[in-house]
Amino acid sequence: QKEVEQDPGPLSVPEGAIVSLNCTYSNSAFQYFMWYRQYSRKGPELLMYTYSSGNKEDGRFTAQVDKSSKYISLFIRDSQPSDSATYLCAMLAGGTSYGKLTFGQGTILTVHP
Amino acid sequence: GAVVSQHPSRVICKSGTSVKIECRSLDFQATTMFWYRQFPKQSLMLMATSNEGSKATYEQGVEKDKFLINHASLTLSTLTVTSAHPEDSSFYICSARPQRYSTDTQYFGPGTRLTVL
Repeated sequence: QKEVEQDPGPLSVPEGAIVSLNCTYSNSAFQYFMWYRQYSRKGPELLMYTYSSGNKEDGRFTAQVDKSSKYISLFIRDSQPSDSATYLCAMLAGGTSYGKLTFGQGTILTVHP
Repeated sequence: GAVVSQHPSRVICKSGTSVKIECRSLDFQATTMFWYRQFPKQSLMLMATSNEGSKATYEQGVEKDKFLINHASLTLSTLTVTSAHPEDSSFYICSARPQRYSTDTQYFGPGTRLTVL
């Protein structure tokens, strides 16, 4: 079983839709949770960074963490064609892990006009 | 802020040659840098972690003699793929983290696409 599971999609939605992206994890040591966006042939770009259960909002993006269920989500409101990319969840254990991130497989999102 | 660059962005080489990829943090000092490899439609796989001034720590299954990592300064790490073969063709991405022993997030470079003929 992988430490982090993410539905690879692909996910196709119309412009303006609400998008929900999800990851589950099995390692209880994960304490920090990130969402990255990666455009084709580019490096990942950090979107959201959270470390506690609950919601964190930044513009059209909301990150949700439920540590009791080992489940995290990213919601995108009013999705735009420019949001079309691969979205990667990433997790970090606390302590002296030296920042080793564990990534999900990535979900390919297409927002069509 | 928090910009990481990589050079070259794309390289094509013949089998058996060595290729060096540079990763630079442009506006911060990076005590820790990470090297990842990404195959098409797959996620990032960590290859190694390098701390400035010390030897890199390689992930299981990654040949340290084939993938040489040098992190000689706080703003530069290099990955050298020695005696490259077609199976080494991949997208190589570095990331840099400003603080050692910290949970600060990593900032990624734009990646280097390596094609070995």
